[in-house]
Amino acid sequence: NAGVMQNPRHLVRRRGQEARLRCSPVKGHSHVYWYRQLPEEGLKFMVYLQKENIIDESGMPKERFSAEFPKEGPSILRIQQVVRGDSAAYFCASSPQGGIDTEAFFGQGTRLTVV
Amino acid sequence: GESVGLHLPTLSVQEGDNSIINCAYSNSASDYFIWYKQESGKGPQFIIDIRSNMDKRQGQRVTVLLNKTVKHLSLQIAATQPGDSAVYFCAEKSSGNTGKLIFGQGTTLQVKP
Repeated sequence: NAGVMQNPRHLVRRRGQEARLRCSPVKGHSHVYWYRQLPEEGLKFMVYLQKENIIDESGMPKERFSAEFPKEGPSILRIQQVVRGDSAAYFCASSPQGGIDTEAFFGQGTRLTVV
Repeated sequence: GESVGLHLPTLSVQEGDNSIINCAYSNSASDYFIWYKQESGKGPQFIIDIRSNMDKRQGQRVTVLLNKTVKHLSLQIAATQPGDSAVYFCAEKSSGNTGKLIFGQGTTLQVKP
């Protein structure tokens, strides 16, 4: 799990601003998952991407949230016009493939605070 | 709907004792279960996993038990150490989904010296 790099570790945004969270997966991993964790809660799935494709976005809010995983570069989770309720820890996980028993490695997370 | 939940929010044990953390799940189609450990300010760390065709799996100081009849999962930690203090989450995957993990709420394990 040390191989998944997320930045920034902490991000403070004012209401209405945009937040961009970056995730560099373990080298060679082409599958990326984003999860959100509210205080005192478990992680909630948001989106699953494979290089250049969104495979499952069933956990993404319909508005203001988007994700991408380009051919080159990190995966980006973008939150437009942030609100206080977006304050949470956002975790990225990567795996070499998408099989059921393929271990996913998590990053250290980005803690977003909206003021 | 799918849900994975934990019975107790906090478990306090004496150093050296064994710990048992429980988890209930509702999706009978779940095929694969994982326990994660999350220390403060860090991401989840894989501990141990088990497939639905097994009822027990052992690792180093940890054992996972699966009871599919009552849809119950437990994590046993032997000789609990202060370094085991963390929040523990169970999570599940089913073959019908895309590999996403469904997490429970978490149990905080506190180890008293």
